[in-house]
Amino acid sequence: AQKVTQAQTEISVVEKEDVTLDCVYETRDTTYYLFWYKQPPSGELVFLIRRNSFDEQNEISGRYSWNFQKSTSSFNFTITASQVVDSAVYFCAPPSGGYQKVTFGIGTKLQVIP
Amino acid sequence: NAGVTQTPKFRILKIGQSMTLQCTQDMNHNYMYWYRQDPGMGLKLIYYSVGAGITDKGEVPNGYNVSRSTTEDFPLRLELAAPSQTSVYFCASSYSSQGTQYFGPGTRLLVL
Repeated sequence: AQKVTQAQTEISVVEKEDVTLDCVYETRDTTYYLFWYKQPPSGELVFLIRRNSFDEQNEISGRYSWNFQKSTSSFNFTITASQVVDSAVYFCAPPSGGYQKVTFGIGTKLQVIP
Repeated sequence: NAGVTQTPKFRILKIGQSMTLQCTQDMNHNYMYWYRQDPGMGLKLIYYSVGAGITDKGEVPNGYNVSRSTTEDFPLRLELAAPSQTSVYFCASSYSSQGTQYFGPGTRLLVL
């Protein structure tokens, strides 16, 4: 069975600090996708990134970067120079369709303090 | 494109009442999903559909029913509302089982 673990339940950082959110995905699949979503206090779910397990290159988008290491089953997310608007719950999740039927975990709640 | 739309945004039900949560997407996606999110928790998959006429149970299907008569619509039916169904319900769609899921704004349901 697949299992996503976001060990950090809540993180608080001071604005402009860098912060890394951890995600470990256990699966027997040899190829798979993983996603990161953001849920700000307003409640909507915002797609951030989709990565294929074949691709271990770091992905950078502005202040966001992702490090995917298949050997350790980790797909970590780093925010550089955090801002108050980054305060949200962040979910790491595999796709839910097909045989997976996987749900999202509780995510990591990030609070950026001014 | 409007993306994924959900109605209503908020509803209060009495125990035992029934209602249908509506979900429509205009992206011609085959896959559609219903999740519930309880306060401070993650999302739990209720049902999903891989195309018109085909649905399957997720992790927490009890107390709910779905249908998929068209590609665009995926309504979720609550037959006998219970307080345990108080939650925020999200609908999502994707072009494939491995595709990015795009979420609707959610429906907040309160059962009293």
